[in-house]
Amino acid sequence: GENVEQHPSTLSVQEGDSAVIKCTYSDSASNYFPWYKQELGKRPQLIIDIRSNVGEKKDQRIAVTLNKTAKHFSLHITETQPEDSAVYFCAASIGWDTGTASKLTFGTGTRLQVTL
Amino acid sequence: DADVTQTPRNRITKTGKRIMLECSQTKGHDRMYWYRQDPGLGLRLIYYSFDVKDINKGEISDGYSVSRQAQAKFSLSLESAIPNQTALYFCATRGRTNTGELFFGEGSRLTVL
Repeated sequence: GENVEQHPSTLSVQEGDSAVIKCTYSDSASNYFPWYKQELGKRPQLIIDIRSNVGEKKDQRIAVTLNKTAKHFSLHITETQPEDSAVYFCAASIGWDTGTASKLTFGTGTRLQVTL
Repeated sequence: DADVTQTPRNRITKTGKRIMLECSQTKGHDRMYWYRQDPGLGLRLIYYSFDVKDINKGEISDGYSVSRQAQAKFSLSLESAIPNQTALYFCATRGRTNTGELFFGEGSRLTVL
């Protein structure tokens, strides 16, 4: 089955700096890659996703890039703010967004700390 | 607002006890999931259901069972709880649209002594 590795497990940046979290996946057929953010004591929430027919997607200060050849994708957060402090999970699936897949495989999470 | 609700939010139980975690949703979604979250292990799928008559095992189903009582309700049971089932449990739902977004409940923290 699919295996998703996520690095680093913890990341500390100063406010205003950029943060990058990287994930690699094992199944070359995977075609849907979401990122979820979990604030302390809260539920995970989708922040951005990308499909394999797109190399990059941006939404304000966050962006995701996908390298299908290398089977890795990354989350980029620019101009970090204290409210960006959270645990971030990447995930991968084949056909998840079209409803044909049953399973979304998550990475192990990255705890991002934005310091003042 | 349509939501995903889990009960109980916190539960402490003893080894060998039967425990049920309940999930109900008002989103009108047909697909429901139970995940377990452990530090350093991410979110792992226990069971999932695409409708009332459809129940499927996830990657860590041993020691767990589920019941889909209605489209809006999906319960997770631990027949005989053991300490290594101490974890944060999340119910999640999604609809048939192509957005793919999973909507999580607030979580149920279970401690097995």
